[in-house]
Amino acid sequence: GESVGLHLPTLSVQEGDNSIINCAYSNSASDYFIWYKQESGKGPQFIIDIRSNMDKRQGQRVTVLLNKTVKHLSLQIAATQPGDSAVYFCAEISGGSYIPTFGRGTSLIVHP
Amino acid sequence: DAGITQSPRHKVTETGTPVTLRCHQTENHRYMYWYRQDPGHGLRLIHYSYGVKDTDKGEVSDGYSVSRSKTEDFLLTLESATSSQTSVYFCAILEGSEQFFGPGTRLTVL
Repeated sequence: GESVGLHLPTLSVQEGDNSIINCAYSNSASDYFIWYKQESGKGPQFIIDIRSNMDKRQGQRVTVLLNKTVKHLSLQIAATQPGDSAVYFCAEISGGSYIPTFGRGTSLIVHP
Repeated sequence: DAGITQSPRHKVTETGTPVTLRCHQTENHRYMYWYRQDPGHGLRLIHYSYGVKDTDKGEVSDGYSVSRSKTEDFLLTLESATSSQTSVYFCAILEGSEQFFGPGTRLTVL
């Protein structure tokens, strides 16, 4: 499949551990943030989003935390599974536009 | 997958030849996007469209043109392919505030 993992930060965890993937953003005017998951050979897939008026949002096994003071976003995955192995991207959107700006991504490797 | 297909899925071409990639969607979405993805760069926007015949440039539009004559099709053209355009190309649509991506096209320019 398409290789996108080269030159990316990598996080290796054991199955069952919790994973935390971090993202720093640059635009203090960004008001909407999204996390995507990209498996090998596939396009990115939406995981969870958060608006700037929130600091935490939970989904199924995933939690996104937003710290606007330091312009930092994190994705927490509980009880990580081998199927969670993928590249994870954050994206930010500002000013009501429909044009996300993507981060470089982090490669998550889950060892059984 | 929000009914998004891309064609071709793989293409090898030579420097200087024209190449057209097609993105097709079946759900009448207004916004469509073309991105390229390269190691170390993440996803970079080439062009996007906000309706039939309405398109605008992204951050890496040089060397690319687009056309959208029908809602369902968004075409990306490399008028004269260069080796620097070797990449994986993704099309996306916007549904609500969420982008859905196609499966990608791997383009190799020799």
